Amino acid sequence: GQSLEQPSEVTAVEGAIVQINCTYQTSGFYGLSWYQQHDGGAPTFLSYNALDGLEETGRFSSFLSRSDSYGYLLLQELQMKDSASYFCASSSGGFKTIFGAGTRLFVKA
Amino acid sequence: DTEVTQTPKHLVMGMTNKKSLKCEQHMGHRAMYWYKQKAKKPPELMFVYSYEKLSINESVPSRFSPECPNSSLLNLHLHALQPEDSALYLCASSQDAGQGATNEKLFFGSGTQLSVL
Repeated sequence: GQSLEQPSEVTAVEGAIVQINCTYQTSGFYGLSWYQQHDGGAPTFLSYNALDGLEETGRFSSFLSRSDSYGYLLLQELQMKDSASYFCASSSGGFKTIFGAGTRLFVKA
Repeated sequence: DTEVTQTPKHLVMGMTNKKSLKCEQHMGHRAMYWYKQKAKKPPELMFVYSYEKLSINESVPSRFSPECPNSSLLNLHLHALQPEDSALYLCASSQDAGQGATNEKLFFGSGTQLSVL
């Protein structure tokens, strides 16, 4: 089976840096993805890590440690528009992408 | 064109109605998905089509019937739904990487918000 755990809520102030952690237990693990979803919107792909290390895309970075079954999403220079739900997702091969429960990020002025 | 288009955006139906949700993409993706999402919950996988063939059915009740008429279209036929089926239904697509590979980047449509009365 597969399970991914992430914190339910995180609050941070505008301009700050926030890290959203994700630990996983999966069989046949291929990689870890991150998606952003605003209220009423569709999930939007942010990043993917297949190998250990850091992937950087603008203000967002994602990290994976396969030996620790752990990853995180790092958001820098937080903006109000970053307030959303963030999901880690595991690809175990084939087409089964399973999502964690999601982390609601609240960005305060 | 990097869009997945879903219609309708909102749907209200009674428990005896039959309705269909539609999804379209023109990115040349050969894998298409239906996910169900309840409020404040993650998307849950329902069905996957690969090259227009049903690849995964996550034990979804038969009152949900998927159809993939061609590589660009995906439908979800609804019949005799229950109030607990009210949810956001998301269509997604990805490049079909084939068996043993990954489909790590899903492109989602904006969803159909379904209410069953």
